[in-house]
Amino acid sequence: GNSVTQMEGPVTLSEEAFLTINCTYTATGYPSLFWYVQYPGEGLQLLLKATKADDKGSNKGFEATYRKETTSFHLEKGSVQVSDSAVYFCALTPFSGGYNKLIFGAGTRLAVHP
Amino acid sequence: GAVVSQHPSWVICKSGTSVKIECRSLDFQATTMFWYRQFPKQSLMLMATSNEGSKATYEQGVEKDKFLINHASLTLSTLTVTSAHPEDSSFYICSAPLGEGLKISFGTDTQYFGPGTRLTVL
Repeated sequence: GNSVTQMEGPVTLSEEAFLTINCTYTATGYPSLFWYVQYPGEGLQLLLKATKADDKGSNKGFEATYRKETTSFHLEKGSVQVSDSAVYFCALTPFSGGYNKLIFGAGTRLAVHP
Repeated sequence: GAVVSQHPSWVICKSGTSVKIECRSLDFQATTMFWYRQFPKQSLMLMATSNEGSKATYEQGVEKDKFLINHASLTLSTLTVTSAHPEDSSFYICSAPLGEGLKISFGTDTQYFGPGTRLTVL
């Protein structure tokens, strides 16, 4: 079946620290991969995505590379800010295009302190 | 830009009553919308896919008679929690894929999420 596993939180960092949130997936076919972010009191927002192997998604200083060989899509940021404090969800759709069902990981809460 | 709205943002009801939650796509039309449920500090679980002009598709384990979905138009889907009980208390979130044309459903990978509706059943 299709599933997403991401590292448990909370992740607590100081401002300007390096961030990695691990995400691995299991999928049949060729999934698209996503990172969504949920800021306190707000709805989910798409942070970045990648639709095929070796694609790198990037946005707001965050990056993630679609690694088919390791079935991973780890989220990274070189220097986090307090405003990055949120819950981050890794997700996939079972295949690119067509039916768009999203399967989410459990979410990782990030807390960044000044 | 494209926005998805939900109404109400929060609702408190008595056990045994029914509650309707609306999900609207603003600025775009959506032949497909999705309904998710999120428990505190947990991930989103897909409940059902709402299809304009046809019946909703429910995920395994979701009671279709309890969670009634009606995709009334290209911009509106509703979720009705019937005979609500305390265990139905949760955060309900809808989403819609961007880019669906009038009565044409083509696949896109980007979904826009509503802000969610917090349901508390007493």
